[in-house]
Amino acid sequence: NAGVTQTPKFQVLKTGQSMTLQCAQDMNHEYMSWYRQDPGMGLRLIHYSVGAGITDQGEVPNGYNVSRSTTEDFPLRLLSAAPSQTSVYFCASSRGDEKLFFGSGTQLSVL
Amino acid sequence: DQQVKQNSPSLSVQEGRISILNCDYTNSMFDYFLWYKKYPAEGPTFLISISSIKDKNEDGRFTVFLNKSAKHLSLHIVPSQPGDSAVYFCAAIDDSWGKFQFGAGTQVVVTP
Repeated sequence: NAGVTQTPKFQVLKTGQSMTLQCAQDMNHEYMSWYRQDPGMGLRLIHYSVGAGITDQGEVPNGYNVSRSTTEDFPLRLLSAAPSQTSVYFCASSRGDEKLFFGSGTQLSVL
Repeated sequence: DQQVKQNSPSLSVQEGRISILNCDYTNSMFDYFLWYKKYPAEGPTFLISISSIKDKNEDGRFTVFLNKSAKHLSLHIVPSQPGDSAVYFCAAIDDSWGKFQFGAGTQVVVTP
């Protein structure tokens, strides 16, 4: 009963490096999203998808790319990492009944 | 501009007493509200929700109250238990499906 799986759990990058945070769900949810959590800021929406082939921007999309080629997977790409992207990243999915299921998070540090 | 605000970053309460967490919002189009609970090194988990057509929803020890005219909701935990020590996030959504707005969170510590 995996739910929402995120990899890696921890990552350290140097400024300018690129990487992809992986997210997979096995609940056949149409809706998937990425959030970042920063102290005092709560959870802020980066990008979301309402189905395969459909993505849209959230509140803080700059510096991140997403794609949704399958229902199960929703990777988040950092094109050129910056120290401001140091954060904890959460992937979430939903079947559309307004309850989000979250992964366990990826702690990213950009030096 | 945060549309969902949790103005108390922390709350300390004795075991067995009531915990009251508050949340204010500015967008009158929000029509569904949720509370999530988060332990360290884990993702948030859904706790309880309420639709804007209701003013109260109860689930065991957890009750959420909604005051639409004041744009305010609260979460009551009675009685508080040590396992309730966590960060609690308030969230809201309007009819633009997919765009949840979260508050900054309140750290609850339940002391023996």
